[in-house]
Amino acid sequence: ETGVTQTPRHLVMGMTNKKSLKCEQHLGHNAMYWYKQSAKKPLELMFVYNFKEQTENNSVPSRFSPECPNSSHLFLHLHTLQPEDSALYLCASSQDGGPQYEQYFGPGTRLTVT
Amino acid sequence: KQEVTQIPAALSVPEGENLVLNCSFTDSAIYNLQWFRQDPGKGLTSLLLIQSSQREQTSGRLNASLDKSSGRSTLYIAASQPGDSATYLCAVRPLDSGGSNYKLTFGKGTLLTVNP
Repeated sequence: ETGVTQTPRHLVMGMTNKKSLKCEQHLGHNAMYWYKQSAKKPLELMFVYNFKEQTENNSVPSRFSPECPNSSHLFLHLHTLQPEDSALYLCASSQDGGPQYEQYFGPGTRLTVT
Repeated sequence: KQEVTQIPAALSVPEGENLVLNCSFTDSAIYNLQWFRQDPGKGLTSLLLIQSSQREQTSGRLNASLDKSSGRSTLYIAASQPGDSATYLCAVRPLDSGGSNYKLTFGKGTLLTVNP
């Protein structure tokens, strides 16, 4: 247990659906991250929030919409996804956005878009 | 643009063997390097973090080395066990004064199988 939880663990959705992924950290951290892990590709950073402010959007399509209501919670809202968006979505947190702090990862949500 | 390469992509060894996983990166201007373990369908567990000023870090049967000038790191696993079977990921954090040095650039990983 890393102190970072993600729900749901598995999600199957059609291309016209709207769903949300949830991440919660119990570590008192101030920075939270969304990563995408596709088969045979390195992990890709998607979004970063530091003290609830979005500091990074790594050219992510607008069908992915992040939300960070407080430092402990992070959401990823999904709508009109494509089959190529099927992947493992990982959430991470760190003390803040400084490079000296390790990132702690959640178990991920396995997303399948049909 | 930083690129991280891990060789081999997959490795199968008998139990008890010592082994080395390799990681190389193209830009030596790094803040630190981190090794992670990922079990199938699961998140990442941090194994070792090496600061750019360090040469190596050890934790139990694991030893990670860093040669920043040549852009290389190795993860040495002693006396491997079936429970070590997992994907091992290497990631580097840039030395960037522009405020984006929280970014981790990952390799694709090495899938390790330790056979009983």
